[in-house]
Amino acid sequence: GIQVEQSPPDLILQEGANSTLRCNFSDSVNNLQWFHQNPWGQLINLFYIPSGTKQNGRLSATTVATERYSLLYISSSQTTDSGVYFCAVAYGGATNKLIFGTGTLLAVQP
Amino acid sequence: EAGVAQSPRYKIIEKRQSVAFWCNPISGHATLYWYQQILGQGPKLLIQFQNNGVVDDSQLPKDRFSAERLKGVDSTLKIQPAKLEDSAVYLCASTAPGQSHGYTFGSGTRLTVV
Repeated sequence: GIQVEQSPPDLILQEGANSTLRCNFSDSVNNLQWFHQNPWGQLINLFYIPSGTKQNGRLSATTVATERYSLLYISSSQTTDSGVYFCAVAYGGATNKLIFGTGTLLAVQP
Repeated sequence: EAGVAQSPRYKIIEKRQSVAFWCNPISGHATLYWYQQILGQGPKLLIQFQNNGVVDDSQLPKDRFSAERLKGVDSTLKIQPAKLEDSAVYLCASTAPGQSHGYTFGSGTRLTVV
């Protein structure tokens, strides 16, 4: 099956710093999403981005489908950005089920 | 718009006991998913429903796990008998018709099997 790998596995930032999270996937996909899981366990959908670039406030994401990777940029990080960031992909078929990556644990310190 | 509701929030049981989790998706969302998230890992799909029919249950351990979605709305996930390795967070998610990218997750049920 498709493999989804994320890097780095862990990241510690000072408040105000910028960061880039990476997601590599092993096969063509028709659905790629970024999620944030906060320290209370709630998963929040950040972006649906099978290709191209999107921005939402301090967050932006870029997917280069032909090279099978996606990047999530966090600028001017805040303590509320802490948590685990997951990339998830689906590669077609009737189910369109999401395969989640390994996650990046982000801690933003004040 | 109300979110995806799940209950209970936490559950502790002994191994070999049974347990059930409940999920109420967003109104009008035809597709419902149950995911299992073991500590330190990403969520893994257990079962997907389209209305009240099963679309994918290939990763559901059917010897001990069962799920149903009566009338295409609420869903129940059951484990019987539970094993220690079933300790995890069980997440329910739903999507609207034609919007499979718009996942909305519930807060999850944290199960501890002792």
